Amino acid sequence: DIQMTQSPSSLSASVGDRVTITCRASQSISTYLNWYQQKPGKAPKLLIYAASNLQSGVPSRFSGSGSGTDFILTISSLQPEDFASYYCQQSYTTPLFTFGPGTKVEIK
Amino acid sequence: EVQLVESGGGLVQPGRSLRLSCAASGFNFDDYALHWVRQAPGKGLEWVSGISWNSVNTAYADSVKGRFTISRDNAKQFLYLQMDSLRAEDTAFYYCAKDRAHYYGSGSYSSTWGQGTLVTVSS
Repeated sequence: DIQMTQSPSSLSASVGDRVTITCRASQSISTYLNWYQQKPGKAPKLLIYAASNLQSGVPSRFSGSGSGTDFILTISSLQPEDFASYYCQQSYTTPLFTFGPGTKVEIK
Repeated sequence: EVQLVESGGGLVQPGRSLRLSCAASGFNFDDYALHWVRQAPGKGLEWVSGISWNSVNTAYADSVKGRFTISRDNAKQFLYLQMDSLRAEDTAFYYCAKDRAHYYGSGSYSSTWGQGTLVTVSS
């Protein structure tokens, strides 16, 4: 099975900061990598699909990059509504929706 | 409005069964594969099961294989998860999620999720 890791597991940042979150797969998954945002008590929200494609309606300050085993989610200028947990997910192989352990973005 | 609404969660004793339902509206239900994803309180996301548009293809996480059964009723626009032989470690919020295509597979992702229903397995 493909294992997903994320770093850091949590971070503290200020409004306006540039934030990067890294996701790594245990084997190559091409660009079959999605990013979700989840706020407390809410369902996950799709941000990025296929590594770098911005989901409709998601602000352009979010971007994704990478291929193979290493991927990055970037928030170019952190906004108050961006404080949440972020999960990567591979859809290269079954189990299809293997998620990373998550990264919690907190207010500094 | 595209919407998924889960129901059927609750408190159940270990070893017992429970069936979750997910009501869909606002889209052509039988055009899409569907999934169940769970999240233990305070923990991360775990994919549980998926089903193709025509129910021909189903898949399960190893942690639930042989105990959980996914199904769907396209006429009624409902997704189900039959959970048998429940264990304490099955305690979680269960979300249904809509795939982007008829079949789940490489490139799958979910842009529509329900609000979740809580299953608590405890004596």
